[in-house]
Amino acid sequence: ILNVEQSPQSLHVQEGDSTNFTCSFPSSNFYALHWYRWETAKSPEALFVMTLNGDEKKKGRISATLNTKEGYSYLYIKGSQPEDSATYLCAFKQAGTALIFGKGTTLSVSS
Amino acid sequence: EPEVTQTPSHQVTQMGQEVILRCVPISNHLYFYWYRQILGQKVEFLVSFYNNEISEKSEIFDDQFSVERPDGSNFTLKIRSTKLEDSAMYFCASSEKAWNGEQYFGPGTRLTVT
Repeated sequence: ILNVEQSPQSLHVQEGDSTNFTCSFPSSNFYALHWYRWETAKSPEALFVMTLNGDEKKKGRISATLNTKEGYSYLYIKGSQPEDSATYLCAFKQAGTALIFGKGTTLSVSS
Repeated sequence: EPEVTQTPSHQVTQMGQEVILRCVPISNHLYFYWYRQILGQKVEFLVSFYNNEISEKSEIFDDQFSVERPDGSNFTLKIRSTKLEDSAMYFCASSEKAWNGEQYFGPGTRLTVT
């Protein structure tokens, strides 16, 4: 059974701290890796879609890297702000299979 | 900014009844999806739809489920005979590209089966 693991499950940081989370997935038959940001009472918002080994993407203070050979992606947030508080989901797709979501990392940023 | 809309926001139904969940994807998107999240569990893929037919579906999407794009704007998910375990938040999403494109999610419909 294919599985996507995210760590840590949750974390709490102070405003201004930089932080990063991990998404681990099977390294075979890779097709795409999605990152979503999900705020409470809202719908998931796409951050990045990554398809190539070594991909690095950036959107403002948030960036992500992808290593398909070893099966992991990192999401980095530089200088966390309270508005970054959300659950960050990754979702992995292998060729010929459905998109599989991790349980998410819940980030709480205190001012 | 264009957005995906879903109706109703909350649906309560009795076991065995049929429900139809409605979605209006972003107008220039070609790929449509349904997902669900049972409380406390992971988001699960149900089905993807392109060019008026199902392109992929999960094991969850059995004969009780069907999808339709009845006109140029709506995309519906029908559950023929609801079960208690169908209670979940159902999300519709759409994208310009297939699985290598960003998906835009609707606000969800909370389905409660009693």
